[in-house]
Amino acid sequence: GESVGLHLPTLSVQEGDNSIINCAYSNSASDYFIWYKQESGKGPQFIIDIRSNMDKRQGQRVTVLLNKTVKHLSLQIAATQPGDSAVYFCAEISPGSARQLTFGSGTQLTVLP
Amino acid sequence: DSGVTQTPKHLITATGQRVTLRCSPRSGDLSVYWYQQSLDQGLQFLIHYYNGEERAKGNILERFSAQQFPDLHSELNLSSLELGDSALYFCASSVASRPDTQYFGPGTRLTVL
Repeated sequence: GESVGLHLPTLSVQEGDNSIINCAYSNSASDYFIWYKQESGKGPQFIIDIRSNMDKRQGQRVTVLLNKTVKHLSLQIAATQPGDSAVYFCAEISPGSARQLTFGSGTQLTVLP
Repeated sequence: DSGVTQTPKHLITATGQRVTLRCSPRSGDLSVYWYQQSLDQGLQFLIHYYNGEERAKGNILERFSAQQFPDLHSELNLSSLELGDSALYFCASSVASRPDTQYFGPGTRLTVL
């Protein structure tokens, strides 16, 4: 079936380095993608989104890249800080009349001092 | 703070019991979504309401039901609880009927003993 998945379940980076979190999606018809950050004990927090008619979108310290050819999504965090430690989920809007968010399994980002 | 509120924060109950989880969306948001997050299933979409009407159902058990009231708050009712229902339950809201950017509440942690 269609799914959204993450390549790596865990990622450790040094404070100040850039982080790259990857996500593969299998439904080429998906037209909207969102990255969420979930800190321990909290709900998912919206980070950035991108529509399928774009290949790059930048926010504050974050950039999302979309490669529709290989159905790949990535989240880049510049100058990673301890507060960036969290689980990051990519989510896609499922196509069709339901158009619900389908979440990937998540990547645990740990920022090392 | 996303502006979405959920009560209670924690809930401990016994198998076979019934509980009600409450969610208040962000001011102005007409859509409410419910999700279940467990360790082995990740974030699973349960149900979507828009302005009081059910819009879509996901992986929601027949023992679970929800409703959205005229003041737009929503309740998720879980009955005949089983051990496997222990999870975090999140509510999210968005402005439109389309499930684009959703803002999540802090969640209710349900423990069934």
